[in-house]
Amino acid sequence: DTAVSQTPKYLVTQMGNDKSIKCEQNLGHDTMYWYKQDSKKFLKIMFSYNNKELIINETVPNRFSPKSPDKAHLNLHINSLELGDSAVYFCASSHRQAGINEQFFGPGTRLTVL
Amino acid sequence: AQSVAQPEDQVNVAEGNPLTVKCTYSVSGNPYLFWYVQYPNRGLQFLLKYITGDNLVKGSYGFEAEFNKSQTSFHLKKPSALVSDSALYFCAVMGDNYGQNFVFGPGTRLSVLP
Repeated sequence: DTAVSQTPKYLVTQMGNDKSIKCEQNLGHDTMYWYKQDSKKFLKIMFSYNNKELIINETVPNRFSPKSPDKAHLNLHINSLELGDSAVYFCASSHRQAGINEQFFGPGTRLTVL
Repeated sequence: AQSVAQPEDQVNVAEGNPLTVKCTYSVSGNPYLFWYVQYPNRGLQFLLKYITGDNLVKGSYGFEAEFNKSQTSFHLKKPSALVSDSALYFCAVMGDNYGQNFVFGPGTRLSVLP
């Protein structure tokens, strides 16, 4: 069974479009995250949600908006896509209430903006 | 502010030899330390963590890491490298002061040569 899943795996789109990436976890975790990995493989946190509430919002353009309909899902909406948004986006989850625990990562979504 | 340094972009080691991937960190408060591995076109996989207790931590696939508080280091080690260990390795840290998040290092590419 897939623990953290993301769709789509690949996303190719034109500049200016609006797109969404979906993430689901079936681990019963209370916290979910979005990370961006750039072309140099540097990994940076974008957002974190705990029990459907935003707890981290790093310096990310407001074109990026996370949506958490329930504890098992954290979707990422991106408006007016720009060339610099091209990257691999990873969703992750952890169980923070149980203590300091490792994060489980999804397989990633490779976004290419043309 | 939290930070993680992985001073080597690339580590090459012959199969069967011991390997070390270095990590140093800076946090407020006590550190929680993690190692992750990323294979090509995959998400990050958790290897091991240090929260408290014994400074030598054992993890998946024969890896271990040693927490050294005075040197603020958490180097990843394996006694005998396998070609299949070739991947990108990330060190991550979180401080125990309220509101701190995971911060990942820039990654070290390990190549194990047959």
